[in-house]
Amino acid sequence: AQSVTQPDIHITVSEGASLELRCNYSYGATPYLFWYVQSPGQGLQLLLKYFSGDTLVQGIKGFEAEFKRSQSSFNLRKPSVHWSDAAEYFCALLLSGTYKYIFGTGTRLKVLA
Amino acid sequence: ETGVTQTPRHLVMGMTNKKSLKCEQHLGHNAMYWYKQSAKKPLELMFVYSLEERVENNSVPSRFSPECPNSSHLFLHLHTLQPEDSALYLCASSQGGTGNTEAFFGQGTRLTVV
Repeated sequence: AQSVTQPDIHITVSEGASLELRCNYSYGATPYLFWYVQSPGQGLQLLLKYFSGDTLVQGIKGFEAEFKRSQSSFNLRKPSVHWSDAAEYFCALLLSGTYKYIFGTGTRLKVLA
Repeated sequence: ETGVTQTPRHLVMGMTNKKSLKCEQHLGHNAMYWYKQSAKKPLELMFVYSLEERVENNSVPSRFSPECPNSSHLFLHLHTLQPEDSALYLCASSQGGTGNTEAFFGQGTRLTVV
């Protein structure tokens, strides 16, 4: 069955430190992968997406993600975290040829000043 | 206006009330979605409409009734809800069916059933 797993429910980092949020997926066909961010009480905002091509994708707000087919992973990274990055982050998978997006359970990021 | 707009942003309703959530997209997309977001649960896909036809219905209780009068508008009609239906309801749209497109989300409606 198709699924998206975000192993870390909560992550705390200090401002200025680097960040990596993990995402693993299970899907037998070509994955279309996304990272979204959600601030409290708000909708989801797209950070970046991977469809094909270069496995390192750049997004907004200084985020990047690397697709690794051999590890079925799509981890999100940022070299230096800002206090405003505190939010919840969701990894998502779009099943090919469908309208079905599958979301992970999210990782809540806390940033220490 | 741009993007996906949801109204109201907050709604408190009794279990015997009838209310509706509204979603409007200004992106020219052909697919619209309702998701339910509860605490400590993944986003749950409720309904998907493509070109005003329902293409996905994930075993949602009949007390939730969607309506898609055109490709820009989506409603979720609510009646005789239960307290466990309290959640953030998110609307999204996409240019769906091609497989390589992201979903754009509205700000959500925070629903509280009392």
